[in-house]
Amino acid sequence: EVQLVESGGGLAQPGGSLRLSCVCSGFMFSGYEMNWVRQAPGKGLEWLSYINTRATTTYYADSVRGRFTISRDNAENSVFLQMNSLRAEDAAVYYCVRTSGPIIFDYWGQGTVVTVSS
Amino acid sequence: IVMTQTPLSLSVTPGQPASISCKSSQSLRHRDGKTYFYWYQQKPGQSPQLLIYEVSNRFSGVPDRFSGSGSGTDFTLKFSRVEAEDVGLYFCMQAVDYPFTFGPGTKVDI
Repeated sequence: EVQLVESGGGLAQPGGSLRLSCVCSGFMFSGYEMNWVRQAPGKGLEWLSYINTRATTTYYADSVRGRFTISRDNAENSVFLQMNSLRAEDAAVYYCVRTSGPIIFDYWGQGTVVTVSS
Repeated sequence: IVMTQTPLSLSVTPGQPASISCKSSQSLRHRDGKTYFYWYQQKPGQSPQLLIYEVSNRFSGVPDRFSGSGSGTDFTLKFSRVEAEDVGLYFCMQAVDYPFTFGPGTKVDI
């Protein structure tokens, strides 16, 4: 069974940092591209970042470029999102999402909640 | 690429057909000939789930009452017969170019 389990969310102060983790199981992690997508309370979905299988290519949404960094550890079946310079508008549920070739976002984690407040 | 959906709210009767429209601000047909357009369902309190990929392909386990169609910039998700378990949010998304962008979502209720 494919599983993606996020962790690392919580309360951060404006300007602060958090590091999200996503541990994957049930598939050959090193063979899949990964992404982070977020959903602000009562809002729609926003794609944030992508990383390829060997971590040689990354992409970011304009809203987080320069503040967030995606990475992965294929030995640990994990993908990460380092979030710096957090803003109130970064408060959301953050989802770890798998891409399977042309099948974009075929499996989603349960999400981890990030709150940004002083 | 901006994605728009209509309607934003849809009240349906179980057993009846229904549809959601999605339009993109530019063509989603890639130079490789494929059209990178997707539909996702988010049931209340759950993570989103993939319903349809590349316009019309149902993902594994998706009931055949869901179907997708369209081309270029205009796409449709159809429910042949709505069931009570279909309540939730439905999002379209384009993946022809980064940043991938979602529609605002359509809330479906009974």
